Amino acid sequence: AQSVTQPDIHITVSEGASLELRCNYSYGATPYLFWYVQSPGQGLQLLLKYFSGDTLVQGIKGFEAEFKRSQSSFNLRKPSVHWSDAAEYFCAVGAGSSASKIIFGSGTRLSIRP
Amino acid sequence: KAGVTQTPRYLIKTRGQQVTLSCSPISGHRSVSWYQQTPGQGLQFLFEYFSETQRNKGNFPGRFSGRQFSNSRSEMNVSTLELGDSALYLCASSKDRAYQETQYFGPGTRLLVL
Repeated sequence: AQSVTQPDIHITVSEGASLELRCNYSYGATPYLFWYVQSPGQGLQLLLKYFSGDTLVQGIKGFEAEFKRSQSSFNLRKPSVHWSDAAEYFCAVGAGSSASKIIFGSGTRLSIRP
Repeated sequence: KAGVTQTPRYLIKTRGQQVTLSCSPISGHRSVSWYQQTPGQGLQFLFEYFSETQRNKGNFPGRFSGRQFSNSRSEMNVSTLELGDSALYLCASSKDRAYQETQYFGPGTRLLVL
């Protein structure tokens, strides 16, 4: 069965420091992978997505993610975080018929230290 | 253009009642997906509708149902409410297949079952 694991429940980084959020997936075929961000009281916003091609994907707000098939990973990175990046981040995989069913990880809450 | 709108934003019901939530997708979007978000279970896929047809369904009991109208607006219904149905219900729309097109999420309807 398809699944997504985000091993870090909560991460705190200093403003200006680099960030890496981990994501591992389990899926039999070529996965469709996503990263979403959810700020308090708001809905989800898509940061980036991977379907095929270049394994390094650029997203909005300066985020990028790298697909590594051998490690079944799709880690999210940002070279320098801003206080406004504090939020909950979800990794997800597209599954089901036409991959319309999106399976989410449990999320990683990111706090920023001033 | 207007984003995904969900009504109502907040709702309080008692056990045994039923509830109907509404989602209006972005103009031109034909796919609507529903998700349940709880602290314990995280984000879980409920179902997806496309052109008035249910295309995918998650692992929820039959008390959870939905439909889509010809104008792409969607409703989900939960009958015989249980305490565990208390959650944030998110709706997302996309132009076509959810994995190919970016899904845009609404702010959610927060349901509290007493």
